[in-house]
Amino acid sequence: EDQVTQSPEALRLQEGESSSLNCSYTVSGLRGLFWYRQDPGKGPEFLFTLYSAGEEKEKERLKATLTKKESFLHITAPKPEDSATYLCAVQVDTGSARQLTFGSGTQLTVLP
Amino acid sequence: NAGVMQNPRHLVRRRGQEARLRCSPMKGHSHVYWYRQLPEEGLKFMVYLQKENIIDESGMPKERFSAEFPKEGPSILRIQQVVRGDSAAYFCASSPRTGGPTGNTIYFGEGSWLTVV
Repeated sequence: EDQVTQSPEALRLQEGESSSLNCSYTVSGLRGLFWYRQDPGKGPEFLFTLYSAGEEKEKERLKATLTKKESFLHITAPKPEDSATYLCAVQVDTGSARQLTFGSGTQLTVLP
Repeated sequence: NAGVMQNPRHLVRRRGQEARLRCSPMKGHSHVYWYRQLPEEGLKFMVYLQKENIIDESGMPKERFSAEFPKEGPSILRIQQVVRGDSAAYFCASSPRTGGPTGNTIYFGEGSWLTVV
């Protein structure tokens, strides 16, 4: 069974204090690993898709990396507006299946 | 706004009533997905549809839930005889046709919050 585990469950940072969120996964045949941001009362907002080990993608203060067992979302010099729940999800390579299996998320709070 | 459109955003139903949630995918997208987020739980896959076809319904409860994506019009998630345990946020998502580096990217709507009283 595909499993996705995110850590920590919650993270509080001071503005400007860089850190990393972890997503470890156990799947049979990774098609893609997705990162989303979700604000309270809103839908997940797409951030990145990573397809192969060693791949990296950046967007503003966020950088996502991927290895064969885990992915990291690095947040550099965060601002209060980066406060949100960050979700990791995997899509496996099984024919027509395109469903995403989500982790439980990391709730990030950035204090001014 | 060319994003995934869901309505209603909030819906209150009494136990035993029916709930219908609608979803219009992003322009140019032909794949639709429904996910459910129960209170204090993560997002769970329910069903994957293309026009007039259910491709994967492995996450749908066996009873009372159904989904369709007709040739014309939005995708509909239908919940019959709702119970309190159906109270949740229901998210629709869409993606373009398969193929290419962006073919797998799945975009979500803002969700429909169902409350059963």
